[in-house]
Amino acid sequence: DVKVTQSSRYLVKRTGEKVFLECVQDMDHENMFWYRQDPGLGLRLIYFSYDVKMKEKGDIPEGYSVSREKKERFSLILESASTNQTSMYLCASSPNRGYGYTFGSGTRLTVV
Amino acid sequence: GQSLEQPSEVTAVEGAIVQINCTYQTSGFYGLSWYQQHDGGAPTFLSYNALDGLEETGRFSSFLSRSDSYGYLLLQELQMKDSASYFCGGNTPLVFGKGTRLSVIA
Repeated sequence: DVKVTQSSRYLVKRTGEKVFLECVQDMDHENMFWYRQDPGLGLRLIYFSYDVKMKEKGDIPEGYSVSREKKERFSLILESASTNQTSMYLCASSPNRGYGYTFGSGTRLTVV
Repeated sequence: GQSLEQPSEVTAVEGAIVQINCTYQTSGFYGLSWYQQHDGGAPTFLSYNALDGLEETGRFSSFLSRSDSYGYLLLQELQMKDSASYFCGGNTPLVFGKGTRLSVIA
């Protein structure tokens, strides 16, 4: 089974901190994605990557950046955490760009 | 823009059949996906329709009509464990609807 591992299940950070959320997949997938999930808003795409070193903005990239130095690892960076970034963050990978995504268990981030 | 609309909540009785609809407006449409998410869990892939018609996987079926920009997820012989949120998704990369919370009652 494909496994997508997110390094932390729960995180609490202070406003203004730089935050790194790590995601690793073990099935050699080309495609990786970061979403945030908020009640009533569903899953919204932050950034995605179709190849190593490649990154593209999703629908809500403001306040975030990403890094993909290796195929299996896709990191989400909050440059200066704010309270409105309190959310559940979900990483996914897929062999296909449009379907068959496998999600990690998520990181619930609280910014205080 | 890209948007997918689905009902926010559905309630159904154990053993019954329930249909969750999804209408979409996306450019470059590549097919419709469905994901299930239990409370506290990760979304898990259920089905994908690349072409018009019905796809069946056990108790779950999914349908797509491109001409109507419409699809649905059909759950048969409902069980309590089917209580979860269900998301339709389209385009590439995936854009999701806001999810339908299904409650299965005895």
